[in-house]
Amino acid sequence: ELKVEQNPLFLSMQEGKNYTIYCNYSTTSDRLYWYRQDPGKSLESLFVLLSNGAVKQEGRLMASLDTKARLSTLHITAAVHDLSATYFCAVDMYSGGGADGLTFGKGTHLIIQP
Amino acid sequence: GAGVSQSPSNKVTEKGKDVELRCDPISGHTALYWYRQRLGQGLEFLIYFQGNSAPDKSGLPSDRFSAERTGESVSTLTIQRTQQEDSAVYLCASSLYPTYEQYFGPGTRLTVT
Repeated sequence: ELKVEQNPLFLSMQEGKNYTIYCNYSTTSDRLYWYRQDPGKSLESLFVLLSNGAVKQEGRLMASLDTKARLSTLHITAAVHDLSATYFCAVDMYSGGGADGLTFGKGTHLIIQP
Repeated sequence: GAGVSQSPSNKVTEKGKDVELRCDPISGHTALYWYRQRLGQGLEFLIYFQGNSAPDKSGLPSDRFSAERTGESVSTLTIQRTQQEDSAVYLCASSLYPTYEQYFGPGTRLTVT
């Protein structure tokens, strides 16, 4: 059974600071995704990571994937209040070129204070 | 273009009643997924449809849950004899080869009283 663990689950930080959210998963997978969810809203896709060593950046967020370590990181640079949200990593349950449903981590609730 | 749409947006039902939730995927997306999100929790996978292949039903929590999809279009998730623990937001997503990046709909909030 695929398990996905995120840490921390709750993070309060000040604007301007840097921090990293970690996502570990238990079995081989081809694809890892990061999503953002604002309160009462649906999920917004942030990054799709498809191979070992993949690095994607969008604004103040950067995601990376190490398939050998089964680890992905979401790094926040010089945080701003607008980045306050819950961030989920999710791993495709299928490995082998196809696709299946995603197994999600429990989410990291991020609060960025002025 | 249009995103994934779901209806109704909110549904309140009495325990023991059946409910039907609808999902319209993004046009051309071959894969469709249903998830459940309980309050303050992550998402639980329920079922996955890919083209005309047999669906992956491995996430359905009980035989009260079923889903259908017509070709590569609309899907309905049916919950029979609803229980209070079925209260959650039910999210639908669709995706396309090769990234299978899933685009989520706004969800249906189900409350069982």
